[in-house]
Amino acid sequence: KNEVEQSPQNLTAQEGEFITINCSYSVGISALHWLQQHPGGGIVSLFMLSSGKKKHGRLIATINIQEKHSSLHITASHPRDSAVYICAVLPTGTASKLTFGTGTRLQVTL
Amino acid sequence: NAGVTQTPKFQVLKTGQSMTLQCAQDMNHEYMSWYRQDPGMGLRLIHYSVGAGITDQGEVPNGYNVSRSTTEDFPLRLLSAAPSQTSVYFCASSYTRKSNYGYTFGSGTRLTVV
Repeated sequence: KNEVEQSPQNLTAQEGEFITINCSYSVGISALHWLQQHPGGGIVSLFMLSSGKKKHGRLIATINIQEKHSSLHITASHPRDSAVYICAVLPTGTASKLTFGTGTRLQVTL
Repeated sequence: NAGVTQTPKFQVLKTGQSMTLQCAQDMNHEYMSWYRQDPGMGLRLIHYSVGAGITDQGEVPNGYNVSRSTTEDFPLRLLSAAPSQTSVYFCASSYTRKSNYGYTFGSGTRLTVV
């Protein structure tokens, strides 16, 4: 079982819809990252969370440390939001490394 | 622009050939790392460095070497390419492993070994 599970794996939405992508993890963590990868493109860091909630434009990320769960929300989705969204966690421990989920592929249509 | 620069963007190798993937950053980041991305799998750590002169193995280090002679550069060497090394490779850097500023990724190198 992967330490980081994302759902759904694939998501299609119409422009303007509210989107939620979920990330669950099984280990204690010191931080959680949300990343965005456009088709054929590089990876961009969206958020780094250790508690609570962060907002940037139409993107909102929340984390519940007790439940080991994080969500990424996109309000008023747009076709340019079409990308793969990747959750990654940094487990606690001095030698820990980022552990990645397999990503959620989002397509937003007109 | 400040960031992580990876070269080349695309490469085709024959089995047994060697090559070096270049990674450079100009943000004075101490932590640098190499990942490979394969279909259906999350990114996996190959090697990492916490500073100049210090490197260590990640999850999938076999067949790869790294060095860190300067803070800026962290090249990844494929010693004798194999078809199993066909993948997309990403270099990433951050101030520290636990940096509150997150990680900066390069644009990736798509490698095909035939």
